[in-house]
Amino acid sequence: EADIYQTPRYLVIGTGKKITLECSQTMGHDKMYWYQQDPGMELHLIHYSYGVNSTEKGDLSSESTVSRIRTEHFPLTLESARPSHTSQYLCASKGAGSYNEQFFGPGTRLTVL
Amino acid sequence: AQSVTQLDSQVPVFEEAPVELRCNYSSSVSVYLFWYVQYPNQGLQLLLKYLSGSTLVESINGFEAEFNKSQTSFHLRKPSVHISDTAEYFCAVSEASNDYKLSFGAGTTVTVRA
Repeated sequence: EADIYQTPRYLVIGTGKKITLECSQTMGHDKMYWYQQDPGMELHLIHYSYGVNSTEKGDLSSESTVSRIRTEHFPLTLESARPSHTSQYLCASKGAGSYNEQFFGPGTRLTVL
Repeated sequence: AQSVTQLDSQVPVFEEAPVELRCNYSSSVSVYLFWYVQYPNQGLQLLLKYLSGSTLVESINGFEAEFNKSQTSFHLRKPSVHISDTAEYFCAVSEASNDYKLSFGAGTTVTVRA
């Protein structure tokens, strides 16, 4: 079944830990995105990718990094988590063509203590 | 660069009453417009989109939105809401010439009461 997956759904972790948020899609989409979402605020684009070996920073500066070694996989890594990283992280993907919408995963809610 | 303003952050409404969620955007070029819905503890799901053609677009669950170019608006309406419509609704815009980037509004929380 074509879908987009994110793991873990919830993560509570201590300051200074390295974490990786996983995102995978089975739709064969070239474009993938990471958004940060805080309550009552708009979604902010933090990273995106046009395809394998392509990564770009989004509008909102983020200390996280991403990689795109395979089409279906777009993980986000924080080398040293801090309380300011507490947020919801949403992954999305999009097919070719301007008329296609972005498909979103269920999100990862990260809490850094 | 485009931006999106959702004028209402919270909209309480009684079941079977109509609801309108307002969305205005700013852009100097042609745009595509989207409404997404987010149910609690879930990701965003596409509700409807405007790409071109008829300015009135409809979803399968009774929502509709009208693109008004002169007012740069894309308001979302439903004539009769259900309890299950309780969710957060996001308006988003992308420039037709720049198909990778979506800009989102801050969202409108709709709470439907019996």
